[in-house]
Amino acid sequence: SQTIHQWPATLVQPVGSPLSLECTVEGTSNPNLYWYRQAAGRGLQLLFYSVGIGQISSEVPQNLSASRPQDRQFILSSKKLLLSDSGFYLCAWSRVGVHTGELFFGEGSRLTVL
Amino acid sequence: GQNIDQPTEMTATEGAIVQINCTYQTSGFNGLFWYQQHAGEAPTFLSYNVLDGLEEKGRFSSFLSRSKGYSYLLLKELQMKDSASYLCAYMDSNYQLIWGAGTKLIIKP
Repeated sequence: SQTIHQWPATLVQPVGSPLSLECTVEGTSNPNLYWYRQAAGRGLQLLFYSVGIGQISSEVPQNLSASRPQDRQFILSSKKLLLSDSGFYLCAWSRVGVHTGELFFGEGSRLTVL
Repeated sequence: GQNIDQPTEMTATEGAIVQINCTYQTSGFNGLFWYQQHAGEAPTFLSYNVLDGLEEKGRFSSFLSRSKGYSYLLLKELQMKDSASYLCAYMDSNYQLIWGAGTKLIIKP
């Protein structure tokens, strides 16, 4: 069976500090991978998605970046965090093709920037 | 444009039936999805409609009318564990999901 794991689950970071959130998927090959952010009272915002190693599409210009160094690893990074980066970050994967809308989410990472 | 709306909050009684509506406006459409999200947890997939009509899956059913840009999620025989947020999302012409803000469902005994 397929599993997805992201970490850390919670973190509190000062403004201007770097960020690294990691996500790994097991039990499937060549998945589509996604990073979302969820703010209170708002819909999920797609930040990045990837259809393959080294292939990253950015949906929202900002001070965040993503990388996919391996087929089942997806990393969200920032060199300098802003207060507005606080939120609940979710990694997800989907199969390629007609099932691409059925997302499987990781546990989420709650980031507080102070 | 990318507009999708659903009520912010609803309250229902244990054992009853509740219908959560979702309306959307889009020039490109490739399906309508419902997800359940318990507080502090990640969303989980509930249903998918691409053609008009009703899809039934146990206590949960989802309906779609493409001509009206309208969907609903119907929950029967409500249980306390159904207290959660329900997220509606449509897939656009680029095969990306556009999400509503979610409907928080409160179940009372």
